[in-house]
Amino acid sequence: ELKVEQNPLFLSMQEGKNYTIYCNYSTTSDRLYWYRQDPGKSLESLFVLLSNGAVKQEGRLMASLDTKARLSTLHITAAVHDLSATYFCAVDSDSNYQLIWGAGTKLIIKP
Amino acid sequence: DTGVSQNPRHKITKRGQNVTFRCDPISEHNRLYWYRQTLGQGPEFLTYFQNEAQLEKSRLLSDRFSAERPKGSFSTLEIQRTEQGDSAMYLCASSYQGYAEAFFGQGTRLTVV
Repeated sequence: ELKVEQNPLFLSMQEGKNYTIYCNYSTTSDRLYWYRQDPGKSLESLFVLLSNGAVKQEGRLMASLDTKARLSTLHITAAVHDLSATYFCAVDSDSNYQLIWGAGTKLIIKP
Repeated sequence: DTGVSQNPRHKITKRGQNVTFRCDPISEHNRLYWYRQTLGQGPEFLTYFQNEAQLEKSRLLSDRFSAERPKGSFSTLEIQRTEQGDSAMYLCASSYQGYAEAFFGQGTRLTVV
């Protein structure tokens, strides 16, 4: 059974700092997604990673995928308050593109 | 296109009642997904459609739950004889092809009292 673990589950940090969120998964998969969710809102797609070594960047966020280590990272550079949200990673199972989700990392960035 | 649309946004129902939710996906998307999310958790897969065909259903899904996508466009999710444990946010998502990201609607928040 595919399991997805994120850590940390909660992160409070100061503006301007760098940090990394980790996403580990338990079986082979080449397809990993990162989403953002603001309180009471729906999920917004951030990154789609479809191969080993994939790296994508958007603004202060950068995501990477290592399929051999079964690990994806979401790196935040010089955090700003607007990045406060809950970040989820999700991995494709082998069964008709069903996504298995991590529990989410709640990120609070203090001014 | 304004994205994935779900309604109602909120639903409060008494235990034992039936409820139905609607999802209108992005028009050119042929894949449609239903997820359930409880507070502090990631979404939990419920079911998946490719056009009008329901191709997968979570084995954790009670027989009280049924979903349809009659013409391969909008979808409905019905919960019969609701229980308090059904209280959650029900999310619909759609995608154009298998490996593309899914776009989510705003969700329907169900409260069973």
